[in-house]
Amino acid sequence: AQTVTQSQPEMSVQEAETVTLSCTYDTSESDYYLFWYKQPPSRQMILVIRQEAYKQQNATENRFSVNFQKAAKSFSLKISDSQLGDAAMYFCAYGITTTSGTYKYIFGTGTRLKVLA
Amino acid sequence: GAGVSQSPSNKVTEKGKDVELRCDPISGHTALYWYRQSLGQGLEFLIYFQGNSAPDKSGLPSDRFSAERTGGSVSTLTIQRTQQEDSAVYLCASSLAGRAGGWNEQFFGPGTRLTVL
Repeated sequence: AQTVTQSQPEMSVQEAETVTLSCTYDTSESDYYLFWYKQPPSRQMILVIRQEAYKQQNATENRFSVNFQKAAKSFSLKISDSQLGDAAMYFCAYGITTTSGTYKYIFGTGTRLKVLA
Repeated sequence: GAGVSQSPSNKVTEKGKDVELRCDPISGHTALYWYRQSLGQGLEFLIYFQGNSAPDKSGLPSDRFSAERTGGSVSTLTIQRTQQEDSAVYLCASSLAGRAGGWNEQFFGPGTRLTVL
């Protein structure tokens, strides 16, 4: 079964500090994508960062970076220099291309991040 | 350009009533997804439309749930004889056509919060 596990329901970080959100997944696929989405109180899901499984280099987007450990099926998100605007629900997701060329996404249960001033 | 829009933003209904939730995807996006987000849960895949292909209905939880996509654009998710456990946020997302070996970003709407009394 394809599953995504986020073991931290809630995390807190002091403004300007660094925080790491964990995510593990289970799949038998060899080619897939991993994503982190942010959902602020507005409910609008926003893509934060993505990683192709065939790439060994960890993805980075400004203050956001990932630690992708393919063998361990781990995909953590590091947020550096945390800002008040980073407070949101963060979802880890896994995506595969089906044999018909379409996409299927599996989401974790989310981690609520609080940023303390 | 306009993003994915959903209506209504909030819907309160009585148990046993039927409801219709609407999604307007981004123009030109041939892929459309419906997800359900229950309190404390991740996003649960419901149904997926890709162009003129038969939809992937594998995530629909019961035969009370159905969805249509007219003219390859607007989609309506219908829940018949609503139950209290149907209370959730229903999110719609759209993307460009999938392609084998590639990836296209999902763009999410703001969701419809459904409350069944």
